[in-house]
Amino acid sequence: DTGVSQDPRHKITKRGQNVTFRCDPISEHNRLYWYRQTLGQGPEFLTYFQNEAQLEKSRLLSDRFSAERPKGSFSTLEIQRTEQGDSAMYLCASSLQQKNIQYFGAGTRLSVL
Amino acid sequence: AQSVTQPDIHITVSEGASLELRCNYSYGATPYLFWYVQSPGQGLQLLLKYFSGDTLVQGIKGFEAEFKRSQSSFNLRKPSVHWSDAAEYFCAVGATTDSWGKLQFGAGTQVVVTP
Repeated sequence: DTGVSQDPRHKITKRGQNVTFRCDPISEHNRLYWYRQTLGQGPEFLTYFQNEAQLEKSRLLSDRFSAERPKGSFSTLEIQRTEQGDSAMYLCASSLQQKNIQYFGAGTRLSVL
Repeated sequence: AQSVTQPDIHITVSEGASLELRCNYSYGATPYLFWYVQSPGQGLQLLLKYFSGDTLVQGIKGFEAEFKRSQSSFNLRKPSVHWSDAAEYFCAVGATTDSWGKLQFGAGTQVVVTP
């Protein structure tokens, strides 16, 4: 399977804990996106990478959120001091710069208790 | 600022009947337009896209969509629905002036298929 891979699929944590999610894009894709989806809503853009450079961050991404893509391949999204409002599905997508078509992973569902 | 509206939160359709899902967008120019489908607990699968050219686009699983500039709409259709089409459908817009390509999604339409 050469699609976008996300790990873990589910994460349950207690409020105040830190969590980290991983995304492995399609291998030749140089663009990588993170979105957040809450119940009953469409995905909302969080941040975007082109190769290893983080080029845009949404206002949704508070200081507790940080994303990296250290070698331009996989990416991690860390949430520090989680709050109940962080409970959501976190989706990763990747694309080729020239194509503008995003392919999504299955997502990581975060539940903050 | 661009926006996407999916007026129907929930649609119930009988198996074999036709389906039409509405999508309206607000944008200063012609955007890139997409329809994605999401099954429970899964990520989003691309059904079809419109960038330019022919305003009627064909996608996977027998879906098609028509771009109507005058109505700022990009409605999704399927002539005969199968039980496996039960899912949530999202319309998305990408700005053609945004070289980064981030998408803005509608709130989605939940499709229920009855026997």
